[in-house]
Amino acid sequence: GQQVMQIPQYQHVQEGEDFTTYCNSSTTLSNIQWYKQRPGGHPVFLIQLVKSGEVKKQKRLTFQFGEAKKNSSLHITATQTTDVGTYFCAGPLGSSNTGKLIFGQGTTLQVKP
Amino acid sequence: DTEVTQTPKHLVMGMTNKKSLKCEQHMGHRAMYWYKQKAKKPPELMFVYSYEKLSINESVPSRFSPECPNSSLLNLHLHALQPEDSALYLCASSMAGGQGYYEQYFGPGTRLTVT
Repeated sequence: GQQVMQIPQYQHVQEGEDFTTYCNSSTTLSNIQWYKQRPGGHPVFLIQLVKSGEVKKQKRLTFQFGEAKKNSSLHITATQTTDVGTYFCAGPLGSSNTGKLIFGQGTTLQVKP
Repeated sequence: DTEVTQTPKHLVMGMTNKKSLKCEQHMGHRAMYWYKQKAKKPPELMFVYSYEKLSINESVPSRFSPECPNSSLLNLHLHALQPEDSALYLCASSMAGGQGYYEQYFGPGTRLTVT
């Protein structure tokens, strides 16, 4: 079945270092969404990418959608302790519009001050 | 208002108890979801309601029974649960009829412990 894989599973960085998480789908995605879940919290929507090769920025966060729409990345420049949490990518199941999202396993980011 | 609320925040129940989880949103969203999340895992979809009708049941055991009384409310009725059902139960909502193109807004969750 359709799978969304995310690496790495964990990342420990020193505050100020950069961080990147990668997401790969077994099938072409119509769009990809990114969510952040703080420790003890709930997933919070960050962004959605729809177009092939799309790049979007939110302050220190840069999101990319691959040309083939099968992979995506989230890059954080100069991490801060507030960036701590688990980052999930998620893509819709197939080409259907059921609302079902396939989540990656998540990348948990730890930032040492 | 971009908030999804869930009650209770924490719930401890025995295997013979009956309890209900509640979720509410006032964003005018017509799709609502129940997810189950275990520690260090992604959310796992259980049910999707689209325009108050159940559109997806991810082969969830019948001891979990969802209900959507109206477009703003979503309930999850629990009965005869097992200890392995202990998890964080998340409610979410999105625009339109469950379109995959719309972001989902998650509530804070109910931390359920089955003893």
